[in-house]
This record gives sequence, structure tokens and C-alpha cells, in this order.
Amino acid sequence: AQTVTQSQPEMSVQEAETVTLSCTYDTSESDYYLFWYKQPPSRQMILVIRQEAYKQQNATENRFSVNFQKAAKSFSLKISDSQLGDAAMYFCAYSFKYGNKLVFGAGTILRVKS
Amino acid sequence: DGGITQSPKYLFRKEGQNVTLSCEQNLNHDAMYWYRQDPGQGLRLIYYSQIVNDFQKGDIAEGYSVSREKKESFPLTVTSAQKNPTAFYLCASSMFGGAGQETQYFGPGTRLLVL
Repeated sequence: AQTVTQSQPEMSVQEAETVTLSCTYDTSESDYYLFWYKQPPSRQMILVIRQEAYKQQNATENRFSVNFQKAAKSFSLKISDSQLGDAAMYFCAYSFKYGNKLVFGAGTILRVKS
Repeated sequence: DGGITQSPKYLFRKEGQNVTLSCEQNLNHDAMYWYRQDPGQGLRLIYYSQIVNDFQKGDIAEGYSVSREKKESFPLTVTSAQKNPTAFYLCASSMFGGAGQETQYFGPGTRLLVL
């Protein structure tokens, strides 16, 4: 069965600094998708970034980028120029290529200090 | 605006009572999903449906039931058989088949509490 592990229960970053959230996963599939979702205090799940496993290039969305290491089964999220609005719970998730299910990690709480 | 709505925002259940959580989407998505989130944990899949009048159990379906009579709607019933229903419930939707089917979009959630 596929599993997703987020080893950092909580992280802190100073405003305007850069922070990296870690995620590892386990799968025997070669083609799949990986996601980072953000859950602010409102508890709405917001898609941050998506990575297709067969693509070598790391995905980027404005201040958010990933470091996807397929062989190591690692998928970290880098947030540059951190803002107060980035404070939230961040979830790493895995989906099969023809996905009908997301497998989530336990989440990392990100605190942003002003 | 296209999106997913869930109601109510808060729901209280008495012992032995069945309650139904509503989920509606106007994104023209074929697939819909129900997840449960417990404090300090990630989401776990309860049920999903890829087409109207068809649905499959997820990882934690016991004590729950669903229906999919319309493409836009996927209500979840928490039955009295669910002994620990207190949680945050999230509905999601996605395309089915082709590009984009792997990306799920979420509603705002319903908080269920037991009296």
C-alpha cells in the first residue's frame, strides 16, 4: 500500500525567509502524482502545487517550488519569501496516475514569525 | 463562481441518530469524494463516486453511507453504527478520465460533533 510520511510535525520561519517542508512516500508504481495542499485556520484545503512523476522538471508556482527526487521517493516543498498568510497546516499527498484516491501524510504545521 | 459547497458548517448528532452531510459542486466534475479528518491527522477516504448511480468504499466506509443520484450532489450519511463520528468532513471533486482527473478540489468542510 502507498504511504506518505511527513517527518516534521511543526516548522517555523521568519517572515521573508525561506523554508523547506519534507515529504517521503512509498509506492511500487512508476507513474503517479504528488501534491502539496495548504489548510489554513479556516480548514479549507487549498491546492498549492502538483507534480507529475514522469516529468523530470520540478514544479513551480510563484513562491512555491518542489524538489522531486523520484529515486529517493522524496518530495519537498520550498516556500520562498515567506508571508504571514503562509501560516497553515501543509499536507503532502499521493495519487495513482488514474487516481481515485489521495493518500495524505499527517501534515506539518508552519508558523510564520513577523 | 464555480466551486464546491458543503452544508451545514457545524452539525450536532445525538446518540443513535443518523445525520446527513450535504455536498454540491458546479464544476461539472464527474468524480466526487468524502474524506474524514481527525485532529492532528491527514485525511482518510470514506467513499468515492466516479459516475452517477455508482460509488465505491474507501478505507474507512464502515458506519457511513452515500448516494449519487445527480452529478452535482454526493450526500454522506453518518449512521448510528459509526461509533466515533466526531471529526471534520471534507468533500472533494475531480474530473474522471483524461487530463486533470488526478487533481481534487475541496469544499469548506463540515464539523460534526456528538452531543
